[in-house]
Amino acid sequence: DSGVTQTPKHLITATGQRVTLRCSPRSGDLSVYWYQQSLDQGLQFLIQYYNGEERAKGNILERFSAQQFPDLHSELNLSSLELGDSALYFCASSVAGGSPYEQYFGPGTRLTVT
Amino acid sequence: AQSVTQLGSHVSVSEGALVLLRCNYSSSVPPYLFWYVQYPNQGLQLLLKYTSAATLVKGINGFEAEFKKSETSFHLTKPSAHMSDAAEYFCAVSVYGGSQGNLIFGKGTKLSVKP
Repeated sequence: DSGVTQTPKHLITATGQRVTLRCSPRSGDLSVYWYQQSLDQGLQFLIQYYNGEERAKGNILERFSAQQFPDLHSELNLSSLELGDSALYFCASSVAGGSPYEQYFGPGTRLTVT
Repeated sequence: AQSVTQLGSHVSVSEGALVLLRCNYSSSVPPYLFWYVQYPNQGLQLLLKYTSAATLVKGINGFEAEFKKSETSFHLTKPSAHMSDAAEYFCAVSVYGGSQGNLIFGKGTKLSVKP
């Protein structure tokens, strides 16, 4: 158990809908990262937050957004969903935001868009 | 820009045999390198990391990796495979600079262990 929790574990929804994925980082970790894992794209970085502020953006679509709240939990919002958004979404946390700090991954949310 | 290449999407070994999973990186600055393991239907677990201290890094479950700058490699090894090692393994490089640190992953190598 990494100490990072993600809810829900599974999500099935229809095209065009909007969903929210939730992540609680390990106790004491200030930085949260979101990654998408799909068969064709592999593991891709989406976005990073550090202590409530956005710090880095990766291959995140404009239909996707995220935020980190004062209690440090984070939410990833996915809207106007398409079939291609079906993937495993991971949240990871680290104690700080810099390079050498290892990231601890949650169990993921499996999103299926039908 | 940094990148990671994992040679071999699938590696099969016999139980008790040497495990060698290959990873080459590209980075214009000294890299921080990681190996993660993913068991079926689970998240990623950190096996080991290289942060410029020792070039030979020992991790959990008997795995180790050696950083070779001249070869831009960070291959993962284990002397004797166990059935429980069957999983997918990801090599990653950490983006350098400031308060970032997101990981760039390789495509992964699925390890099968035959009895």
